[in-house]
Amino acid sequence: DTGVSQDPRHKITKRGQNVTFRCDPISEHNRLYWYRQTLGQGPEFLTYFQNEAQLEKSRLLSDRFSAERPKGSFSTLEIQRTEQGDSAMYLCASSLGSGQTDRYTFGSGTRLTVV
Amino acid sequence: LAKTTQPISMDSYEGQEVNITCSHNNIATNDYITWYQQFPSQGPRFIIQGYKTKVTNEVASLFIPADRKSSTLSLPRVSLSDTAVYYCLVGRNTGNQFYFGTGTSLTVIP
Repeated sequence: DTGVSQDPRHKITKRGQNVTFRCDPISEHNRLYWYRQTLGQGPEFLTYFQNEAQLEKSRLLSDRFSAERPKGSFSTLEIQRTEQGDSAMYLCASSLGSGQTDRYTFGSGTRLTVV
Repeated sequence: LAKTTQPISMDSYEGQEVNITCSHNNIATNDYITWYQQFPSQGPRFIIQGYKTKVTNEVASLFIPADRKSSTLSLPRVSLSDTAVYYCLVGRNTGNQFYFGTGTSLTVIP
């Protein structure tokens, strides 16, 4: 297994455009998380899936953001009508969901720049 | 959710032992303590996890006192490649995700 893969690594888009990111988790992991990280801050939770079900969404996830995980495998995060404030690193992580001892495996992230 | 407090930054010379302490006064009985390391432009990477006393692996040691209200990540003989941000995570937020905080930025000096 090659770990968690994210694509693309970098994305530059004009304000108002839509963007979509993809995450391929570790195949045995049933949980998938999206986090957002800005410079100098720790990762902030956006949303999480248990298999194909989206079980939790942060208040940070405005209605311009949507995430899917069809068939409980890869996931996509779409941002519509991007704004400059959306510029950040978008991190995907997966885990086994083993309660309090659960451990995240993160991908390398997608860095979004909105110009 | 147990809030964690860590120093914002630390500097250390190469070859020294570095200890990063995390305070978590409201830790719950079932909470484990987990540390992650993050290099620039990469996602965080799991380092070590523990519940009480001492845990050691090939990368670091984790010391947890009996009251579990704090924990110390110990990095032996650091090198320049240990320059990174270190996050202490305790328990889960409402739901099932961990809260990262701002972490401790460690700079190793030659």
